[in-house]
Amino acid sequence: DGGITQSPKYLFRKEGQNVTLSCEQNLNHDAMYWYRQDPGQGLRLIYYSQIVNDFQKGDIAEGYSVSREKKESFPLTVTSAQKNPTAFYLCASTRRLAGEAGELFFGEGSRLTVL
Amino acid sequence: KQEVTQIPAALSVPEGENLVLNCSFTDSAIYNLQWFRQDPGKGLTSLLLIQSSQREQTSGRLNASLDKSSGRSTLYIAASQPGDSATYLCAVPPGGFQKLVFGTGTRLLVSP
Repeated sequence: DGGITQSPKYLFRKEGQNVTLSCEQNLNHDAMYWYRQDPGQGLRLIYYSQIVNDFQKGDIAEGYSVSREKKESFPLTVTSAQKNPTAFYLCASTRRLAGEAGELFFGEGSRLTVL
Repeated sequence: KQEVTQIPAALSVPEGENLVLNCSFTDSAIYNLQWFRQDPGKGLTSLLLIQSSQREQTSGRLNASLDKSSGRSTLYIAASQPGDSATYLCAVPPGGFQKLVFGTGTRLLVSP
């Protein structure tokens, strides 16, 4: 089955530690995204990548880093510089369409809790 | 800057009712509008995608309409069921390549 796989589903971190969230897709999508969801605030874009080896900051990139070495993979690292990392993180992907915007698909999410 | 608003924030209805969820956006220069469903603790599931050239899309009991000139979209759910209980979100790309701007959603509860 084609889809987006995020892991781990739940993650606990001590303050001062970096953690990496995995996102893998087998949909052959070019573009991938990371969103953060907090109660009452909706989804906010952290980083996005339209092609391999290229990515851009979203609205709340501070304290996060990403890489895009393979088309299928877009891991997100939450660094110790992120002041309030406890949140629900969602990965998404879409095809690139000339002159249009394709349908966005999401993974099941990763819930990060800082202890 | 594109802003997306969803009203109402929460809705509770008895099973069997037809209902309408509303989505408003401030910048009408959009490529498309997408409706999603989110169950508690889960990711988002795409329900319907309406391209800017379309006026509506249908999938089963769901019908979404788009009026770009007025900056509005509605999601119509016919004959609601308890399994429809979830949060429904709309999103639009603000004139660029799929940098979607999301509304904060409508939380729907359908009682048996």
